[in-house]
Amino acid sequence: AQKVTQAQTEISVVEKEDVTLDCVYETRDTTYYLFWYKQPPSGELVFLIRRNSFDEQNEISGRYSWNFQKSTSSFNFTITASQVVDSAVYFCALRGSQGNLIFGKGTKLSVKP
Amino acid sequence: DAGVIQSPRHEVTEMGQEVTLRCKPISGHDYLFWYRQTMMRGLELLIYFNNNVPIDDSGMPEDRFSAKMPNASFSTLKIQPSEPRDSAVYFCASSQEGFLYEQYFGPGTRLTVT
Repeated sequence: AQKVTQAQTEISVVEKEDVTLDCVYETRDTTYYLFWYKQPPSGELVFLIRRNSFDEQNEISGRYSWNFQKSTSSFNFTITASQVVDSAVYFCALRGSQGNLIFGKGTKLSVKP
Repeated sequence: DAGVIQSPRHEVTEMGQEVTLRCKPISGHDYLFWYRQTMMRGLELLIYFNNNVPIDDSGMPEDRFSAKMPNASFSTLKIQPSEPRDSAVYFCASSQEGFLYEQYFGPGTRLTVT
């Protein structure tokens, strides 16, 4: 069975703090893809990053960074120096051999000024 | 590119009525997905198409739900008859051929069934 767990339902931080959103996944596939999506209050889902199972290199994009560790089946997302505009619900998702995306329940991040 | 287009953005209907949601995927994308988002169940895949052919509809909750993709640029999700528990945000997404490509989502249709 495939499953994505985002244990943190809600996180609240003050602007400029760093915050890490956790994602743990389960799959029996050897080839799979992991994604992070952002859903701001306006409701649309915005693609942030894709990572394939053979590439464990961490990635940094501006204030965003992702840490992929196959040994712990985790794909965590860190926002450095958070800003109010980062307030959103963040979804981690797994795409296996079947092609469909399996989403976690999401983590609601609130960044207060 | 205009992105994935969905209509209507909001729909309010009475129980028992037929509801049709529409989606135009990004041009050149071969996969089209329909998702439903609720507070209780999160984001659920309902059905997806590859080259206009339904591949997996195991997520469609009941026979009241049906989806079609008559051509590469248009898909519909129909609920007949609608029920209050169908109230949710329905997203359409599309992606290029192959499993490695990310899905791009439309703005969603917020459906309220009273």
